[in-house]
Amino acid sequence: QVQLQESGPGLVKPSQTLSLTCTVSGGSISSGGYYWSWIRQHPGKGLEWIGYIYYSGSTYYNPSLKSRVTISVDTSKNQFSLKLSSVTAADTAVYYCARGIDLWGQGTMVTVSS
Amino acid sequence: DIQLTQSPSFLSASVGDRVTITCRASQGISSYLAWYQQKPGKAPKLLIYAASTLQSGVPSRFSGSGSGTEFTLTISSLQPEDFATYYCQQLNSYPLYTFGQGTKLEIK
Repeated sequence: QVQLQESGPGLVKPSQTLSLTCTVSGGSISSGGYYWSWIRQHPGKGLEWIGYIYYSGSTYYNPSLKSRVTISVDTSKNQFSLKLSSVTAADTAVYYCARGIDLWGQGTMVTVSS
Repeated sequence: DIQLTQSPSFLSASVGDRVTITCRASQGISSYLAWYQQKPGKAPKLLIYAASTLQSGVPSRFSGSGSGTEFTLTISSLQPEDFATYYCQQLNSYPLYTFGQGTKLEIK
């Protein structure tokens, strides 16, 4: 049974880079032709699509975040990662990783504060 | 960008009620629409994809319909575990797969 688990710092200082990793267990990130996504949810708000990556490495980003976002994949570790640069308090949110549309991680809360 | 507007934003209903949530797209998206259920502190759970296909394991009281710009999620007989927030998501406008703003379903 495939599972996804987000990991990374829960607190990031303003202007720094937020870095999160999603570890895929129970299956290979390289198989099945899926895309692997990052989505976030501001406290008490709706869902915002950040971007996704195919196992091949092709990436696609939300235009509103594109200048600050990098998503990468490490097939040897069965992981994919999110980097969001120059963060502000507005980037405080729960960050989810997902496989396609059918499988999500539990989410990790990231707070941007000094 | 394609915008999705859900209505209503809040819905109060009782166990056993039939409820319908609507999702309208700002332009046609064929049947590239998914519905999710989210409970507090949990990740969204896929209920329906391709507008009307029930995800494996999801109770049959959930159903979806529509195409183009108007879609509905119907719960035929509300159960206590169905009180949650529901989101639609369009998967037509590559590569930005936007979500609706959500519909919070509360117990009356």
